[in-house]
Amino acid sequence: EAGVAQSPRYKIIEKRQSVAFWCNPISGHATLYWYQQILGQGPKLLIQFQNNGVVDDSQLPKDRFSAERLKGVDSTLKIQPAKLEDSAVYLCASSLEAPSGRETQYFGPGTRLLVL
Amino acid sequence: GQQVMQIPQYQHVQEGEDFTTYCNSSTTLSNIQWYKQRPGGHPVFLIQLVKSGEVKKQKRLTFQFGEAKKNSSLHITATQTTDVGTYFCAGGQAGTALIFGKGTTLSVSS
Repeated sequence: EAGVAQSPRYKIIEKRQSVAFWCNPISGHATLYWYQQILGQGPKLLIQFQNNGVVDDSQLPKDRFSAERLKGVDSTLKIQPAKLEDSAVYLCASSLEAPSGRETQYFGPGTRLLVL
Repeated sequence: GQQVMQIPQYQHVQEGEDFTTYCNSSTTLSNIQWYKQRPGGHPVFLIQLVKSGEVKKQKRLTFQFGEAKKNSSLHITATQTTDVGTYFCAGGQAGTALIFGKGTTLSVSS
């Protein structure tokens, strides 16, 4: 079974530029998550989808971050414009189960973003 | 809001020594999950605990969920170099997203 795919794996941009990340979850997984992991910290949830609907985006900085999952499969996360403090690893995860707080999550390899 | 705290932040052991990391939540949890992240890797699910006082074992790893469902621990017996990584606990409440702790980074010298 293929895992969660993410691209690109690495990205370096200058502040105020835009960047987009792509995620393809495990086939059949209805729930998809985007996390931000700053060096030395645990993953912080940015947004959670069930199929193509947003379940939780309470921690997404909506003035600069946006995400979509239009067809309920793959997803993109965009930052526009980027700030220095956005330097982090952006992890995508998916789950077969519906959001309940108990679902097992499978993480992708992440995209390492460096904002200069 | 809900917070999940882990201690210690770092732990270095000699191969063969035991290791324990502790996880504490500011609120009562419905479940707790543990993940392992190898250096340069991504979190990988280890286990989920649901019941008060639950204890689960995976080979040399022992996971406990506190009676009050507000704390948990992961104990590794006789560490090996393959145990190196960061161990995260993640607390869940019904209907809300998991909250991850900051993790405990384990290093093992042979």
